[in-house]
Amino acid sequence: AQSVTQPDIHITVSEGASLELRCNYSYGATPYLFWYVQSPGQGLQLLLKYFSGDTLVQGIKGFEAEFKRSQSSFNLRKPSVHWSDAAEYFCAVGGADKLIFGTGTRLQVFP
Amino acid sequence: DGGITQSPKYLFRKEGQNVTLSCEQNLNHDAMYWYRQDPGQGLRLIYYSQIVNDFQKGDIAEGYSVSREKKESFPLTVTSAQKNPTAFYLCASSLGQGISYEQYFGPGTRLTVT
Repeated sequence: AQSVTQPDIHITVSEGASLELRCNYSYGATPYLFWYVQSPGQGLQLLLKYFSGDTLVQGIKGFEAEFKRSQSSFNLRKPSVHWSDAAEYFCAVGGADKLIFGTGTRLQVFP
Repeated sequence: DGGITQSPKYLFRKEGQNVTLSCEQNLNHDAMYWYRQDPGQGLRLIYYSQIVNDFQKGDIAEGYSVSREKKESFPLTVTSAQKNPTAFYLCASSLGQGISYEQYFGPGTRLTVT
């Protein structure tokens, strides 16, 4: 069965520090992978997606993610976090005709 | 401006009452989706529709119903049969069916049932 695991429920970083949010997936075939961001009380916005090709994917707001098939991972990174990046981040895997979401990682940014 | 509208943002109901959540999109998207979000559980798919007058159950359809009479509208009814209706509900749409199409999300409706 398809599944997504985000092992970190809550992460706190200082503004300007680097960030890596972890995502592991379980899927039988080549996965379609997504990262979404959600500000409090709002809908989700797509940061980036991976379907095929280059395993390092660039997204909006300076985020990138790397697909590693051997580790079944699709971790999200940002070299320097801004206070406005504080939000909840969801990883999702697509299979058949629907998305399976992870439980999310809440990012807190200290000045 | 194209987008997805969900109304109202906050909704309060008494237990035993049915309630309908509105979702409208002007993106000319064929597919629409309803998700439920609970703290610590991510998003779970309730229903989805790939074309007008057709819809399919998602993972947690029990206690919910939908209709898709118009391309731009996909209302969700939370019935009295839903045991734990209090949650944040998100509507989404995509240009076509299949997960290769990006899903665009509305701002959500927070439903509280007491």
